[in-house]
This record gives sequence, structure tokens and C-alpha cells, in this order.
Amino acid sequence: EPEVTQTPSHQVTQMGQEVILRCVPISNHLYFYWYRQILGQKVEFLVSFYNNEISEKSEIFDDQFSVERPDGSNFTLKIRSTKLEDSAMYFCASSVSVREQFFGPGTRLTVL
Amino acid sequence: EDQVTQSPEALRLQEGESSSLNCSYTVSGLRGLFWYRQDPGKGPEFLFTLYSAGEEKEKERLKATLTKKESFLHITAPKPEDSATYLCAVYTSGTYKYIFGTGTRLKVLA
Repeated sequence: EPEVTQTPSHQVTQMGQEVILRCVPISNHLYFYWYRQILGQKVEFLVSFYNNEISEKSEIFDDQFSVERPDGSNFTLKIRSTKLEDSAMYFCASSVSVREQFFGPGTRLTVL
Repeated sequence: EDQVTQSPEALRLQEGESSSLNCSYTVSGLRGLFWYRQDPGKGPEFLFTLYSAGEEKEKERLKATLTKKESFLHITAPKPEDSATYLCAVYTSGTYKYIFGTGTRLKVLA
């Protein structure tokens, strides 16, 4: 059964460094998303991406964040100048259309 | 403002003790309501999609229902392996994002 994959599973970085989180969505899906979940809190929307451009973003998704689909399979989230409060699980999701989304296993980001 | 509220926050059941989880929503134009299961340290796993009031979906011991203001996830004769956090999410008109509730942490005791 096709699934969304994410790498790395755990990323540790120093405050102020840049990180890139990688995702491989399900191959025939057209919509891609990033969400984050701070420990003990709810899943929060960051950004959605369709047809090689951002279709929607939340207030959280400021100039510190960017997304890219560098080739036909990968979808990346870049976080510049990381802060302590960026520590969270980051989930990538994909969907065929604007309906049920399928989530990856997540990347745990720890900012020290 | 669109809002999704889940209750209870936590629920402990004995194996075989049926119960229901609630997801209440206040949104401007519901396009779909989704139930997910999340195990600790894992990503949400899709369970059900509901689109209109009166709709019901079933899968093994789980049954999801939808009204104009809320959805219920009924768990019949649960087993310890049903222990997880159950998340509700909604899609609203004119957006490409889910709005999630805070989840219900379910623990089923053997």
C-alpha cells in the first residue's frame, strides 16, 4: 500500500541553524501539506501546495519557512534560523484532491 | 472563527465496554469531516470521511456519524489495541487545510 515517507525521523539542531525536512508524497497525489504538532498540543496546519505553488498558508508560516518541490517526488520544508519554539513533530501529508489526506510518520525536530 | 472541539479529553474503558467520542464543530461551510487515529510518536492514520448530515461509516469496531453540528465516533466492544488518540478534522469552504481538534486519548484496559 503506498504511503507518505519522511526523512529524517529525528533532527537535532542548534538554535539559529537552518534545517530541511524531506517528504516523499504518494505518487499520484497532487496536493501536499505540512503540519506541525508541538508535544501535547493539537496538530496545526502550516502550508498547502498545489501545482507548484503555495495554495494556502497559516499565520505560523512566516518568512522563516519555505517549501519546495525540487523534483517530481520530493517535497521539502525549510526552516531558517531555528528557534527553541520550533521544536515539534512535523508531518507531511498528501491527497489526490481536496479531501482525505494521508500523513507521513513525522520528523521530530529538536532545537537546542 | 472556525473551531473544532473534541470531548472527552481522555477516556478509560474496560475491554468490551462500548462508548462514544464527540467532535463538535463551528465552521463556515463544512466540506468534509475526517476521523484519524494517532499512536504515540506516529502520524495520524486515516479512518473515515463524512460529508453530509446523516451519513454513517463503519470499520470493524468503529462507527462514525455526522449531524449538522457534531460527529460521533462509536467504539463497540473495544480491545486494548484500540488504545490511541482519536483526532477529528474538518475541511471548510474556500480552504485547502484541515482544522484539527485536540483529540481524545483512549485507553482500553484488558
